Amino acid sequence: DVKVTQSSRYLVKRTGEKVFLECVQDMDHENMFWYRQDPGLGLRLIYFSYDVKMKEKGDIPEGYSVSREKKERFSLILESASTNQTSMYLCASSLFRLDGAYQPQHFGDGTRLSIL
Amino acid sequence: AQSVAQPEDQVNVAEGNPLTVKCTYSVSGNPYLFWYVQYPNRGLQFLLKYITGDNLVKGSYGFEAEFNKSQTSFHLKKPSALVSDSALYFCAVRDMEGTGFQKLVFGTGTRLLVSP
Repeated sequence: DVKVTQSSRYLVKRTGEKVFLECVQDMDHENMFWYRQDPGLGLRLIYFSYDVKMKEKGDIPEGYSVSREKKERFSLILESASTNQTSMYLCASSLFRLDGAYQPQHFGDGTRLSIL
Repeated sequence: AQSVAQPEDQVNVAEGNPLTVKCTYSVSGNPYLFWYVQYPNRGLQFLLKYITGDNLVKGSYGFEAEFNKSQTSFHLKKPSALVSDSALYFCAVRDMEGTGFQKLVFGTGTRLLVSP
């Protein structure tokens, strides 16, 4: 079974801090994604990566950056945390196929981040 | 841009009764549609997908979904609900633009509550 592991289940940080959320997958997937989940808004894509050192902005990238130095690890960085970034953050990965066929995304259990 | 709508925030059903969770879509071109489920304190799990072919798609845990092109709908169904089906359900559509072909656009989610 694919395992996507997020380093923390719960995290509390202060406004202005630089925050790192880590995600590791064990199935050699090319694609990795970071979402935030808020009640009534569903999942919104922050950033995704389709290869090492490659990244693309999602729908809500402002205030965030990402890093993918190794294939299995995708980090989300809050450059200067603000209270409106309090949310549930979900990481996902999926296999890339040359024929473009869709492969399901596999999700981690999420990090609930509170910014005080 | 691709989008999906889930018109119901919550669906209540008694155990043993059939259930339907609604989803409508808006896409340019052929839709690639998906259902995911999220149990409490967990990430999302893939249930089923529609790419082409039969309008009735079967998935995990006894769920199925009916694709209706004329009504632009992709409703999730199960003939007999279980209490353990209580969870948050997300409809999603594949983003086919540019390098985003591996991305999904999610709906806002529908909470299913199955009572004993």
